[in-house]
Amino acid sequence: EAGVAQSPRYKIIEKRQSVAFWCNPISGHATLYWYQQILGQGPKLLIQFQNNGVVDDSQLPKDRFSAERLKGVDSTLKIQPAKLEDSAVYLCASSPRAGAGETQYFGPGTRLLVL
Amino acid sequence: KQEVTQIPAALSVPEGENLVLNCSFTDSAIYNLQWFRQDPGKGLTSLLLIQSSQREQTSGRLNASLDKSSGRSTLYIAASQPGDSATYLCAVRTTSGTYKYIFGTGTRLKVLA
Repeated sequence: EAGVAQSPRYKIIEKRQSVAFWCNPISGHATLYWYQQILGQGPKLLIQFQNNGVVDDSQLPKDRFSAERLKGVDSTLKIQPAKLEDSAVYLCASSPRAGAGETQYFGPGTRLLVL
Repeated sequence: KQEVTQIPAALSVPEGENLVLNCSFTDSAIYNLQWFRQDPGKGLTSLLLIQSSQREQTSGRLNASLDKSSGRSTLYIAASQPGDSATYLCAVRTTSGTYKYIFGTGTRLKVLA
């Protein structure tokens, strides 16, 4: 079974530029998550999708971050404009369904450096 | 607000040693607690999941315990190996809303050959 795919793996941009990350979850997984992991910290949930609807985006900085999940499969996370403090690893995860009993499967992450 | 703390932040041990990683959380109203492993440049891999009604879970050389009333969990690694070197994260799942994970800051483990 193929795992969660993310691209790019690394990205370096100047502050105020825009950047987009892509995630392809495990086939058939209805729930998709985007996390931000700043160096030395644990991952923080940014947004959770159930199929193509948003379930939780309470910690997403909506003035600069946006995410979509078209057709309930792939997802993109965008930052526009980027700030220095956005430097982090952005992790995508998926699970078969929503709910507390479901294990999340994580992708390798995209490492972003904002200069 | 749930907060998760992991001690120590880093640990270096000789191969073969048994070791304990600690995780504490401030709100005992959790659905479950999960231990993950994170290798450099890679995503998280689930190691053990303990439901709130359980006291411990075991997988091979790993044993995780949960004391919900005191807000603590430990991950015990027996006979450590260099391949165990990684960052270990614990995460609690909240009982309200969307059951989101709240992660600790991790313990970076290095096992010396």
